[in-house]
Amino acid sequence: KAGVTQTPRYLIKTRGQQVTLSCSPISGHRSVSWYQQTPGQGLQFLFEYFSETQRNKGNFPGRFSGRQFSNSRSEMNVSTLELGDSALYLCASSGTSSVDEQFFGPGTRLTVL
Amino acid sequence: QKEVEQDPGPLSVPEGAIVSLNCTYSNSAFQYFMWYRQYSRKGPELLMYTYSSGNKEDGRFTAQVDKSSKYISLFIRDSQPSDSATYLCAMSANSGGSNYKLTFGKGTLLTVNP
Repeated sequence: KAGVTQTPRYLIKTRGQQVTLSCSPISGHRSVSWYQQTPGQGLQFLFEYFSETQRNKGNFPGRFSGRQFSNSRSEMNVSTLELGDSALYLCASSGTSSVDEQFFGPGTRLTVL
Repeated sequence: QKEVEQDPGPLSVPEGAIVSLNCTYSNSAFQYFMWYRQYSRKGPELLMYTYSSGNKEDGRFTAQVDKSSKYISLFIRDSQPSDSATYLCAMSANSGGSNYKLTFGKGTLLTVNP
């Protein structure tokens, strides 16, 4: 069974640009969560989607948004990029109605110059 | 006070040692407790998953949860160089929207020396 896939794996952008990251969950999983990982803050929750609905959102500014499609694939978008947005963005999927057993993808490494 | 505290290390041990990793937390609503292992440049990998208090063993790994003390531990027996990684504790609550996210510790970097 294929794992969680994320594209692209690496991305370099400049301040002010926007970026879209993609996540394909494990087949059959309907919950997709997004996390930002930085050396200073660790792993921080961005948002979670289940059946195309956002169920929970972390404490990030409105520049961070996401969506989920009917096939459970998810995208997250960051607009007006700032230097501090440089991070590893991780997507995780869960096959249960809660998110306790989450399976992570390899992440997208975003560098903002 | 952060919801989850984890000593970042680094922790360096010789091969074969018993490793103890710990996290404390402040949110009494946490009911589900997990340990993830993350190798460099990879996503976290779920190692252990426990519900409420008690112990759970899986091979060389043992997870312990003490809800009365708000303290969880992961023990690694007969540690191997391949165990060298960052270990992250994670927790989730059991009610409503707060059950739809994991709260992580910052991770402990472990190196097992041959």
